[in-house]
Amino acid sequence: GAGVSQSPRYKVAKRGQDVALRCDPISGHVSLFWYQQALGQGPEFLTYFQNEAQLDKSGLPSDRFFAERPEGSVSTLKIQRTQQEDSAVYLCASSPAGAAAEQYFGPGTRLTVT
Amino acid sequence: SQKIEQNSEALNIQEGKTATLTCNYTNYSPAYLQWYRQDPGRGPVFLLLIRENEKEKRKERLKVTFDTTLKQSLFHITASQPADSATYLCALALNSGYALNFGKGTSLLVTP
Repeated sequence: GAGVSQSPRYKVAKRGQDVALRCDPISGHVSLFWYQQALGQGPEFLTYFQNEAQLDKSGLPSDRFFAERPEGSVSTLKIQRTQQEDSAVYLCASSPAGAAAEQYFGPGTRLTVT
Repeated sequence: SQKIEQNSEALNIQEGKTATLTCNYTNYSPAYLQWYRQDPGRGPVFLLLIRENEKEKRKERLKVTFDTTLKQSLFHITASQPADSATYLCALALNSGYALNFGKGTSLLVTP
């Protein structure tokens, strides 16, 4: 497919478990973003990659959150020791390059921590 | 702190009318502003980008204005259709210039 894909689409985790969320960006897109979206809110920035370099991780809410993009393509967002407040939709977006570029979003992964 | 505010109430309009959504911001000097559409269970979809030196931009039935003095953008959908029903998000660049800061969105419902 030509769009951004994310897996899994839904994830239920027990409190304290680790989870890994995957993002496949559009081929050739240099920039990759992770956002967190709570119910009824707009997406909130978590972290940004340019190729394999993580240039901004200022939005990660705690050191339990970790993201990587080792080969400049697929990215994984990992959350360790999940808490109930981590329950949200996690959105991945990619863009061709540079600022002022539109972002292409995946469908998101809905994480529920019980 | 930087804030983006959108109409907090849902907007209900009749098919065929023009929908107008508002985005106000504070403590920003944005070089550009973007509008996205989001349907339930899906990621946002890019609609329009307007730069600070552009007063107005159009795309088919969509029109966006950008007033950097008022710190406001207006988003218009003319001849609205039920298929336009969705949540519309306004977004400004964060300090990095790459990532986006989104408003909460305005829910639009167009009834036949």
